[in-house]
Amino acid sequence: GQNIDQPTEMTATEGAIVQINCTYQTSGFNGLFWYQQHAGEAPTFLSYNVLDGLEEKGRFSSFLSRSKGYSYLLLKELQMKDSASYLCAPLVDSSYKLIFGSGTRLLVRP
Amino acid sequence: GAGVSQSPRYKVAKRGQDVALRCDPISGHVSLFWYQQALGQGPEFLTYFQNEAQLDKSGLPSDRFFAERPEGSVSTLKIQRTQQEDSAVYLCASSLDSTREEGVSVTDTQYFGPGTRLTVL
Repeated sequence: GQNIDQPTEMTATEGAIVQINCTYQTSGFNGLFWYQQHAGEAPTFLSYNVLDGLEEKGRFSSFLSRSKGYSYLLLKELQMKDSASYLCAPLVDSSYKLIFGSGTRLLVRP
Repeated sequence: GAGVSQSPRYKVAKRGQDVALRCDPISGHVSLFWYQQALGQGPEFLTYFQNEAQLDKSGLPSDRFFAERPEGSVSTLKIQRTQQEDSAVYLCASSLDSTREEGVSVTDTQYFGPGTRLTVL
């Protein structure tokens, strides 16, 4: 079966750094996506990792360790608008099927 | 250009009614996906189209759920005899292509629409 584990909620302060962890156990693996979802809105693409290591994109970075079944999303210089749910989604079995975790609700406080 | 659009944005149905949810993917996108998202959960895969072909419908929860994409563009998700447990947000996503070429996976980012919030009373 497929299992994705993320913390349910996190709180951080504006301007700080936060790391959202994701562990996964899946049948087959073809990379991992991170999406951001504001309440009532569509998930929006943040990053895709298929090789081990860190991918940096502005204030957002994503890390993958395939051998450990582990990924994290790092958000720097937090802004109030970063308050949202962050969804970890491994690509399994095929080149198209995303399996989403339940998401981590991040609250950024002033 | 325009993103993925879905209509209606909100739908209230009485139990037992049939509903039809529409998805307009990004122009030129070959692949189209439907997901169901319950409150406080991540999206769950329902079905996948490549052009007009429905290649995977393993996530459809029952035979009351039916999806089509007859001309390889717009897609409709139909739910017959709706039940209260069908209440959820239905998300559509599209990607340029997601094909396997010579044993190598070619993965394109899935872009999501705003969803249709279905409430069954």
